[in-house]
Amino acid sequence: AQTVTQSQPEMSVQEAETVTLSCTYDTSESDYYLFWYKQPPSRQMILVIRQEAYKQQNATENRFSVNFQKAAKSFSLKISDSQLGDAAMYFCAYRSPSGTYKYIFGTGTRLKVLA
Amino acid sequence: NAGVTQTPKFRVLKTGQSMTLLCAQDMNHEYMYWYRQDPGMGLRLIHYSVGEGTTAKGEVPDGYNVSRLKKQNFLLGLESAAPSQTSVYFCASSYGQPEAFFGQGTRLTVV
Repeated sequence: AQTVTQSQPEMSVQEAETVTLSCTYDTSESDYYLFWYKQPPSRQMILVIRQEAYKQQNATENRFSVNFQKAAKSFSLKISDSQLGDAAMYFCAYRSPSGTYKYIFGTGTRLKVLA
Repeated sequence: NAGVTQTPKFRVLKTGQSMTLLCAQDMNHEYMYWYRQDPGMGLRLIHYSVGEGTTAKGEVPDGYNVSRLKKQNFLLGLESAAPSQTSVYFCASSYGQPEAFFGQGTRLTVV
């Protein structure tokens, strides 16, 4: 069974600085999707970025980028120029490309942004 | 375009009471999911559906039942609520695009 591990329950970053959130996963599949979701205090789950495993190029979305290391089964999220609005819970998630399309989530990392 | 809508947003139940959470999506998605979110445990899959009339158990299905009579709706039922079911419940849907789309969540407290 696939698993997703986020080993940092909480992280802090100074405003305008860069922070990296870690995620590792376990799967026997060769093709899959990985995601980072943001959950602000409003509770809404917001997609930050996604990565297709067959693409070697790391995904980027403005200040957000990932470091996808397929062999190491690692998928970290880098937030550059951190802003107060980035403070939230961040979840790493995995989805297989076929079958039941279940999403497997990590336990989350709470990010605090210090002014 | 409303996306995924959950009803209600908040609810307090007494132990032993029953209730149904409603999830409605207007994106014509085939796949729908119910998750619960608890501190330190992330989101855990309760039940899911890959199409109208089909349901399947997820990681933590005990104490819950679901139905998908219409493609756009996915209902989560608690027949006899227990304090251990105090949680935030999320509905999600997907199809076509890889990512799941989430409702705004339901905070349920069982006293």
